[in-house]
Amino acid sequence: DSGVTQTPKHLITATGQRVTLRCSPRSGDLSVYWYQQSLDQGLQFLIQYYNGEERAKGNILERFSAQQFPDLHSELNLSSLELGDSALYFCASSVDAGVGNTIYFGEGSWLTVV
Amino acid sequence: GESVGLHLPTLSVQEGDNSIINCAYSNSASDYFIWYKQESGKGPQFIIDIRSNMDKRQGQRVTVLLNKTVKHLSLQIAATQPGDSAVYFCAVGGTGANNLFFGTGTRLTVIP
Repeated sequence: DSGVTQTPKHLITATGQRVTLRCSPRSGDLSVYWYQQSLDQGLQFLIQYYNGEERAKGNILERFSAQQFPDLHSELNLSSLELGDSALYFCASSVDAGVGNTIYFGEGSWLTVV
Repeated sequence: GESVGLHLPTLSVQEGDNSIINCAYSNSASDYFIWYKQESGKGPQFIIDIRSNMDKRQGQRVTVLLNKTVKHLSLQIAATQPGDSAVYFCAVGGTGANNLFFGTGTRLTVIP
């Protein structure tokens, strides 16, 4: 158990809908990351937050947004869902935001869009 | 951006043998390299990491080798066990931020 908690574990929703994925980082970690894992794209970095502020942005679609709250938990909002958004979404955390800080992953939220 | 690739998508080894998983990266400025293990239905699990100022680092039954000249990274697992069966990813740290670029993964199967 990495200490990173994600909910829900599984989610099935229809195209056009909006969902929110939630993440609690490891105790003491200030930085949170979101990754998407799909069969054709592999593990892709979406976005990073550090202590509530956006720190780095990757291949995150405009239909997706995220935030990190004062208690350090984070949410990833996915809207206008398409079939191709079906994937495993991982949250990860690290103590600090700089390069070289070990990143620990949660168990993921499996999203199926039908 | 960074491009990370693994040499073999699958690898089968006999229990007790040593395993070697290879990875290549594209950005010579990359400074941080990590190996993760992902079991079915679980998230990537940190195994070992190495900074660019080192060429070798050892953990418990695992060794990571870094060859910056040819931009190559390898993970060696000693005395491979059935519990080592998983998908192994190499990841390369971003040069400005701590985001990771992942390779496509090598599925290691340990034959009892």
